[in-house]
Formats: sequence, structure tokens, C-alpha cells
Amino acid sequence: GAVVSQHPSWVICKSGTSVKIECRSLDFQATTMFWYRQFPKQSLMLMATSNEGSKATYEQGVEKDKFLINHASLTLSTLTVTSAHPEDSSFYICSASTSSGGANEQYFGPGTRLTVT
Amino acid sequence: GENVEQHPSTLSVQEGDSAVIKCTYSDSASNYFPWYKQELGKRPQLIIDIRSNVGEKKDQRIAVTLNKTAKHFSLHITETQPEDSAVYFCAAGAGSYQLTFGKGTKLSVIP
Repeated sequence: GAVVSQHPSWVICKSGTSVKIECRSLDFQATTMFWYRQFPKQSLMLMATSNEGSKATYEQGVEKDKFLINHASLTLSTLTVTSAHPEDSSFYICSASTSSGGANEQYFGPGTRLTVT
Repeated sequence: GENVEQHPSTLSVQEGDSAVIKCTYSDSASNYFPWYKQELGKRPQLIIDIRSNVGEKKDQRIAVTLNKTAKHFSLHITETQPEDSAVYFCAAGAGSYQLTFGKGTKLSVIP
């Protein structure tokens, strides 16, 4: 149980274009989904917290107009990197959390490696 | 906000020896402490977690201890094997569902 998928697993795009990444919880309903960014040999940096049916909460320093997050259902959240630049190249990982009286278990997707040329 | 410190950043042990990774946290409201294992290029996998009403939890070769007073928790891996080699992250969270991660420990188990 608690399987999270992410698509695509890798993507190469040109500067100025937009890229959409999907995160799905396959066998459970995720009230909350999280989007992280991970640089090589570094920790997970939380970008935003996404609750189904409401606007995402972005961490300080993360541009909400550049990283658009939509959480349309209890099993799907999307991250769109708009007007991508080479510095946006990174490993993006989502996670999903089951709401259970304050439980915090997060289950991670396999990640998406974005390369902007 | 919460701040999680993790040590050491790298750890090398001989196969069969034990490995210990330590984390401290700052927010006394944190009540959930998971540990994740991440292999190169793969997703973080939850390997064990502990809540603040428990002092120790064990799952086969892996154990976690929590000292709420001192605000620190540790991961213990016994009888290490080469497949234990990975980056391990500790994290701390409270009722907001968010987790704050440590910077990770790269564990190398030498055959």
C-alpha cells in the first residue's frame, strides 16, 4: 500500500517553455501532497504544500507564479514549471500524506529529473 | 520554524558493524520523527518512524531512539550489510503534516 507515482520520470525542455509534472497516489486518498526539490548530494527542500481543493502554500523564496501547483483531486497533484530556465534544472519529488489524526507519514514518488537547455 | 541537524554527514563502517546516525530538533511541538533511506537516483523510502509518546522502536536490524527532553533522536543499524549503503535522512514534524528534513548522512558499508 501507499504507492505514489510521478510522471514523467525525466524531461528535457528548452528555456522559456513550460513543463508539467504529475503526482498520483495510486492506492490511497492523499489529503495533502508536498513538492520538494533536491539538488545533487543535498537534502530535500520543501517547495510547497498542496491540499485538495485549495490553494497551495509556498515556502519562503519559492515563486508561486513560476511553480504552479494544482491539487484537483484526492489522488492527483500537478506542478508546472513555467518559463523554465537552466537554473530550474533539478530533481523534483512529490510526496503524499494520509490524514489520520495528525499522522505525518509521507510516501514519496520516484521523482522527475528536469533538465532545461 | 523547525530546524533539524543531522550528524555525521558521511559514515563508513565495515560490514557487520553497527552504524549510528544522530539528529537534533528545535521545536518542542514536533511529535513525529521518521527516517528515510534514499539510494542514488531513487525515491526516499520510509524505513522506520517514532512518535513522541514512545522512547524506542525496533524493526529487525533497525532501531530508533528518542529523547524528548534533549530533543534528539537516533537511528541504529546493526549487522550492517552492503545493501544498507545509501543516504539516510531524518525528519521531524508536528500536526501540520509538514516534515523538516536533516541534511542527510551518506552511509557506506565496506564489504
